[in-house]
Amino acid sequence: GNSVTQMEGPVTLSEEAFLTINCTYTATGYPSLFWYVQYPGEGLQLLLKATKADDKGSNKGFEATYRKETTSFHLEKGSVQVSDSAVYFCALIKNTGNQFYFGTGTSLTVIP
Amino acid sequence: DTAVSQTPKYLVTQMGNDKSIKCEQNLGHDTMYWYKQDSKKFLKIMFSYNNKELIINETVPNRFSPKSPDKAHLNLHINSLELGDSAVYFCASSQGLAGGLYEQYFGPGTRLTVT
Repeated sequence: GNSVTQMEGPVTLSEEAFLTINCTYTATGYPSLFWYVQYPGEGLQLLLKATKADDKGSNKGFEATYRKETTSFHLEKGSVQVSDSAVYFCALIKNTGNQFYFGTGTSLTVIP
Repeated sequence: DTAVSQTPKYLVTQMGNDKSIKCEQNLGHDTMYWYKQDSKKFLKIMFSYNNKELIINETVPNRFSPKSPDKAHLNLHINSLELGDSAVYFCASSQGLAGGLYEQYFGPGTRLTVT
């Protein structure tokens, strides 16, 4: 089956700290991988995506690389800001389908 | 301009009642979705419609019935509400069905509380 596993939260970091949120997946075939962000009281927004192995998605200082050999898509940012406080969701979608499989979300709080 | 809108934003109701949540998108997309997010933030797809046709119907109670009067609208009707239905419900839309090629755009969510 298809599934996504994210690291448990919550995560609390000081401003300018390095962020890693782990994500691994299980899928048949070749999925596309996504990171979505949910700011407090809002819906999900696409943060970045990668559609094939070794692709790197990047946006707003965040990066994630599609690693087929380790079935991973870890989210990283070199220096977090208070405004990055949100819940982050890793997700996959099979390239032959349109159903997302989301991870359970990781809550990030950045303190000044 | 709001791309995907939902009404109401908050809904508080008693067990046994019937309620509806409306969703509209002005993006010209032909595929729309309903997701349920529980108290632990876990997000799970419920339904998907493409060109007003139901294409994904996950295992949800038949008390939940989606209705798509046209491509821009996908409403969710819930009969005989139960305490376990309390959650945030998200509507989303995308241009097409081709997997990862098309981004899904999410609405702001409807927080349903059943007392």
